[in-house]
Amino acid sequence: EDQVTQSPEALRLQEGESSSLNCSYTVSGLRGLFWYRQDPGKGPEFLFTLYSAGEEKEKERLKATLTKKESFLHITAPKPEDSATYLCAVQPMEYGNKLVFGAGTILRVKS
Amino acid sequence: DVKVTQSSRYLVKRTGEKVFLECVQDMDHENMFWYRQDPGLGLRLIYFSYDVKMKEKGDIPEGYSVSREKKERFSLILESASTNQTSMYLCASSPGPVKSQYFGPGTRLTVL
Repeated sequence: EDQVTQSPEALRLQEGESSSLNCSYTVSGLRGLFWYRQDPGKGPEFLFTLYSAGEEKEKERLKATLTKKESFLHITAPKPEDSATYLCAVQPMEYGNKLVFGAGTILRVKS
Repeated sequence: DVKVTQSSRYLVKRTGEKVFLECVQDMDHENMFWYRQDPGLGLRLIYFSYDVKMKEKGDIPEGYSVSREKKERFSLILESASTNQTSMYLCASSPGPVKSQYFGPGTRLTVL
C-alpha cells in the first residue's frame, strides 16, 4: 500500500534556527512528490514539485530535496511568518492524477 | 495565478438535509478534486473528475456524490447530511498528471 509518513509531527524553532522536515514514502513507482504549506483555516498552498532522486528546488528560505525513499524540506533562518503546517504528497505511478498525502508537520517559529 | 473558489467558507446544516458545495476554477484545468480534512486523518480524497461529466470515486465516496456539467465547476453533494460529515472540505484543480493541484480556501461544514 502506498504510504507517506511525515516527521516530526510538530516542530518548535527559534527565529533563525535552521532545521529540516522529513517526508518518507513507500510507493511502487513515483511520478512526483509535492510540498504544500497550509495556514490555519485555509487551503494548502503549493510550494514545490520534485520528480526524480537528486532533484532540489528552492524558494526564499525553503529548499526541498528528494531521494529514492524520502524528501526533506530544509528551512534556513526561519521567521515567525514561516509558521504553518507543511504537507507532503506523492503521486504514485498507478494512480493517474491522485495524490497520497502525509499527515503534515506543524511548524512554530518564535521570535 | 490559478484561482479556485468555493461557494461558502462556513456552513451549518441539520442532519438529513441535502447539502451542495460548489467549486469553480478559472484556469481551464482538466482535473478537479474534492477532499475532506480532519484532525489526525489528513486529507482524504472523496471524488475526482478528469473531464466534464466524468467522475471517479476516491478513497471515501460513501455518502457523497458529485456533478461536473461544465469544465470550470465541480459540485459535491451530501445527499442526507450526517454528523460524521462535519469537516473541512477542500476543492482542488490540476492541469493534468504530475502537475500540482491548486486548492481553494475550504468550506468548514458543521452538521448538527
